[in-house]
Amino acid sequence: ETGVTQSPTHLIKTRGQQVTLRCSSQSGHNTVSWYQQALGQGPQFIFQYYREEENGRGNFPPRFSGLQFPNYSSELNVNALELDDSALYLCASSSEVVKNIQYFGAGTRLSVL
Amino acid sequence: AQSVTQLGSHVSVSEGALVLLRCNYSSSVPPYLFWYVQYPNQGLQLLLKYTTGATLVKGINGFEAEFKKSETSFHLTKPSAHMSDAAEYFCAVMRNQGGKLIFGQGTELSVKP
Repeated sequence: ETGVTQSPTHLIKTRGQQVTLRCSSQSGHNTVSWYQQALGQGPQFIFQYYREEENGRGNFPPRFSGLQFPNYSSELNVNALELDDSALYLCASSSEVVKNIQYFGAGTRLSVL
Repeated sequence: AQSVTQLGSHVSVSEGALVLLRCNYSSSVPPYLFWYVQYPNQGLQLLLKYTTGATLVKGINGFEAEFKKSETSFHLTKPSAHMSDAAEYFCAVMRNQGGKLIFGQGTELSVKP
């Protein structure tokens, strides 16, 4: 167990709705990265937050947005949901000391109908 | 752009047989290299990593991988497969320390009794 917790574990939404996914990083970790894993695919980088600031973004539209809080927990928000947004969303945290190792949570399974 | 190619989306071995999962990356400079494992309905667990130094890297659960710069490869091996090794395996690269992970498409490993 990595100590990275994500909520909720499963979520069902309809097209056009908005969703917020939450991540609590491992103790002492100040960097959070979010990934989208479509069925049968490898995870794709969405963005990364370091000390409450966005620190890199992948090829995702602006309707994917995020926040990091002073306690380093994080949120991923997706507006105007599309069917293709159905995926497993993974959060990973890393520390200042060992930047290269990202510890993953179990993910949130989002289904868009 | 960096990419990661995992040869074989599905590999099947018998219990006790050698496991070999192939990974090639494209990069102008040696990146940081990782293997992650994903069990059903779970997040990603780090198996092993290469950053610098010795090119043969040992990980958890008896897995190891060898970084071969001339071949731009980082294949994962295990001398003797166990039933519990059945899972999805992902090779990943990180170009910059603390940056994003770029994943391959994954290889599903099946272990036959």
